[in-house]
Amino acid sequence: EIVLTQSPGSLSLSPGERAILSCRASETVNSNSLAWYQQSPGQAPRLLIFAASSRAAGIPDRFSGSGSGTDFTLTISRLEPEDFAFYFCQQYGGSGLTFGGGTKVEIK
Amino acid sequence: QVQLQESGPGLVKPSETLSLTCTVSGFSISGGFYWGWIRQPPGKGLEWIGNIYHSGSANYSPSLRSRATISVDKSKNQFSLTLNSVTAADTALYYCARVGIGYYYIDVWGKGTTVTVSS
Repeated sequence: EIVLTQSPGSLSLSPGERAILSCRASETVNSNSLAWYQQSPGQAPRLLIFAASSRAAGIPDRFSGSGSGTDFTLTISRLEPEDFAFYFCQQYGGSGLTFGGGTKVEIK
Repeated sequence: QVQLQESGPGLVKPSETLSLTCTVSGFSISGGFYWGWIRQPPGKGLEWIGNIYHSGSANYSPSLRSRATISVDKSKNQFSLTLNSVTAADTALYYCARVGIGYYYIDVWGKGTTVTVSS
């Protein structure tokens, strides 16, 4: 099973700042199967990025994904108040879907 | 607009069977997607349980394969999860979801339903 490790566990930033979130896989991931999600308290997750770098429908362009192999990154270029939330990555491999432990983006 | 809604008992006794149903609206379950179940134990991360295609072909997490069964009812546009021999470790928020074929992203989530395993 591919293990996804996200770092940092939490990030304290101010509105307008850039957030860079990392997702590292225990073995090579098919880039087509790497996705990022946002989850706010009490809400279901929302798909942000699929296939490592493609934005889902309706997602603002301040969200971008990059990476390949074992290292992937989600960047939020300028944090808006609604972006302070929990983010996690997900991949699909031979043993099915696995999720990272997540990064909490908090207001500084 | 595609919507998924989980339903089922919120309390299950240890050693018994957990049964949940997901009703899909706004989209045919026979469309080109997988339908899946994911859970989140309190204070922990997300865990994939399994997916099913409208043909009935399903795949499961290796850790739950022996206890989980996912089925589909095309006439009702629903799919279901049964998990047998439950323990307290199965206490979680259970989500149903639509999973993209090929890319395996989850683009639609239900709101989730809490299941507690307790006597």
